Amino acid sequence: QVQLVESGGGVVQPGGSLRLSCVASGFTFSSYGIHWVRQAPGKGLEWLGVISYDGSNKYLGGSMGGRLTLSRDNSKNTVYIDMYSLRPEDTAFYYCAKDPYNGRQGGWRFDSWGRGTLVTVSS
Amino acid sequence: QSALAQSASVSGSLGQSISISCGGSITDIGAFGYVSWYQQHPGRAPKLIIYEVSHRPPGVPDRFSGSRSGTTASLTISALQPEDEADYYCSSYTTRSTQVFGGGTALTV
Repeated sequence: QVQLVESGGGVVQPGGSLRLSCVASGFTFSSYGIHWVRQAPGKGLEWLGVISYDGSNKYLGGSMGGRLTLSRDNSKNTVYIDMYSLRPEDTAFYYCAKDPYNGRQGGWRFDSWGRGTLVTVSS
Repeated sequence: QSALAQSASVSGSLGQSISISCGGSITDIGAFGYVSWYQQHPGRAPKLIIYEVSHRPPGVPDRFSGSRSGTTASLTISALQPEDEADYYCSSYTTRSTQVFGGGTALTV
């Protein structure tokens, strides 16, 4: 079955950087787009961005501005999100989610989700 | 991109029906038929329950249905069950090639 497992969360100081990973299994990873979505504790969902099946297309939400980068390594079935200049308001659970298609065009949705990894930005 | 508008909470009794609305604009819900809905139980990851306005993924009970009128989408849950108590989020693709979520609606059964 489809499985997505996020890792790399933890406590980081304001202004710091962090890389999160999302390891996938149970499907042909190199054929599907992968999204990142975050959720501050007790708050709603916020879309961060999507990377297409081959990494050639990336679309980002506006909330983090230019403070994040998406990448993937299909040989490792892994997608990464690099976050920079972190702020206390970036404290959240970060989820990766699979798109049912290749992620290049719109009409996205999230048909499988990981359990999330918690990032806490605090001094 | 502003979040889609959802009421904060809704309640219903066992066996009743409820509807959750999701207000958007001509740049998201009104532009495309790409509205999806997610169910999230406390401490769990969200789960896709409706996609492309009204389609159900395999395994989702037909008690869950979706619709759209203009710039507003709706999720209807009929014959409420205890396990339906959860948070519900709508989401839409936008003309800016981004995805936007609603603020979420907490359903109490």
